[in-house]
Amino acid sequence: GAGVSQSPSNKVTEKGKDVELRCDPISGHTALYWYRQSLGQGLEFLIYFQGNSAPDKSGLPSDRFSAERTGGSVSTLTIQRTQQEDSAVYLCASSLGLAVDTQYFGPGTRLTVL
Amino acid sequence: QKEVEQNSGPLSVPEGAIASLNCTYSDRGSQSFFWYRQYSGKSPELIMFIYSNGDKEDGRFTAQLNKASQYVSLLIRDSQPSDSATYLCAVNPGGGTSYGKLTFGQGTILTVHP
Repeated sequence: GAGVSQSPSNKVTEKGKDVELRCDPISGHTALYWYRQSLGQGLEFLIYFQGNSAPDKSGLPSDRFSAERTGGSVSTLTIQRTQQEDSAVYLCASSLGLAVDTQYFGPGTRLTVL
Repeated sequence: QKEVEQNSGPLSVPEGAIASLNCTYSDRGSQSFFWYRQYSGKSPELIMFIYSNGDKEDGRFTAQLNKASQYVSLLIRDSQPSDSATYLCAVNPGGGTSYGKLTFGQGTILTVHP
């Protein structure tokens, strides 16, 4: 079946602009995760949605970052007033939300802030 | 102190040899462990997961877990040039509010030379 999809695949923006990144999880997966991978850095957890529960936002680096998940499916990660240090690949993953929870990653969105 | 550490690379092995990738973690309550492969410019791809002590084999790949030593490894037998990639160790912490938030190591770059 279809995997996790993300759009856009690449985004170039100017410092100070807002950006929206989209993630469409695998059908039937109740859990959705956002990670960030910067050059020279490991994968960094950002936010986690599980079903209808309140999201775990503990990994968001600042209040410029927010995310929502509509209808328990598609998620949007929004970065306001982008900064150059926000440049990274933003990865979305989804899982069934079960006890041993294997996460499957989408192709990512490469964000470049000029 | 890093929560998940992987053996420093890069690791270079000849084709047909066994590649050994190691990972240690600091959270003794961690429950499940994952190995992802990431080709340059691509997103992480799940190779193996393990959650019980001992060995788990899947084709040319064997994951080994020792919770007492807080150690997990990945062996790749009969290494092929196509195995050349960055291998990421990921740990799913214990239950409660941390569940689902994978912590990744920095990755080990593996090169298999013909």
